[in-house]
Amino acid sequence: GQNIDQPTEMTATEGAIVQINCTYQTSGFNGLFWYQQHAGEAPTFLSYNVLDGLEEKGRFSSFLSRSKGYSYLLLKELQMKDSASYLCALNSGGYQKVTFGTGTKLQVIP
Amino acid sequence: EADIYQTPRYLVIGTGKKITLECSQTMGHDKMYWYQQDPGMELHLIHYSYGVNSTEKGDLSSESTVSRIRTEHFPLTLESARPSHTSQYLCASSESRGYGYTFGSGTRLTVV
Repeated sequence: GQNIDQPTEMTATEGAIVQINCTYQTSGFNGLFWYQQHAGEAPTFLSYNVLDGLEEKGRFSSFLSRSKGYSYLLLKELQMKDSASYLCALNSGGYQKVTFGTGTKLQVIP
Repeated sequence: EADIYQTPRYLVIGTGKKITLECSQTMGHDKMYWYQQDPGMELHLIHYSYGVNSTEKGDLSSESTVSRIRTEHFPLTLESARPSHTSQYLCASSESRGYGYTFGSGTRLTVV
């Protein structure tokens, strides 16, 4: 089976940098997703890491260490619209069967 | 603009009714999924399909059924709705490994 652990809530200031961590245990590993979900809306895809290291996409970066079962999402130059839940999701089965974590609710304050 | 469509967006029905939640995608994706999500909680996979005539049950036990007769269409049916079915139902599709899911807007179901 799979187990995903993320902090429940975080608060950060507009313009700052925030790191959202995700640790996982799994018997098989294909890759790790990060999704953003605003309240009442569907999740939207942010990133997918397969190999160790940092991948940068504009203000968002995602890091993976497979040996440590660890990933983080880094958000720079925070904006109020970044207030949302951030879901770590594990692709560990065949045919892209994905398990989602409970998500980290990020609140950006002025 | 959405390439995956779910209807209805909101639904309130009485206990015992049969309902079908519709999901269609125009991207030609082979893989489609149904997730259930309660407010503030994680997504749970209830059904998935790898292609036409392929359907599998997910990790969360569900009293719903699905069908996949056409690539673009993946409806979910509840034969007899109960208050415990009250939740948000999210449909998603994906192209292949390494690509994220595209989610529909969801159906928020309330059974009274």
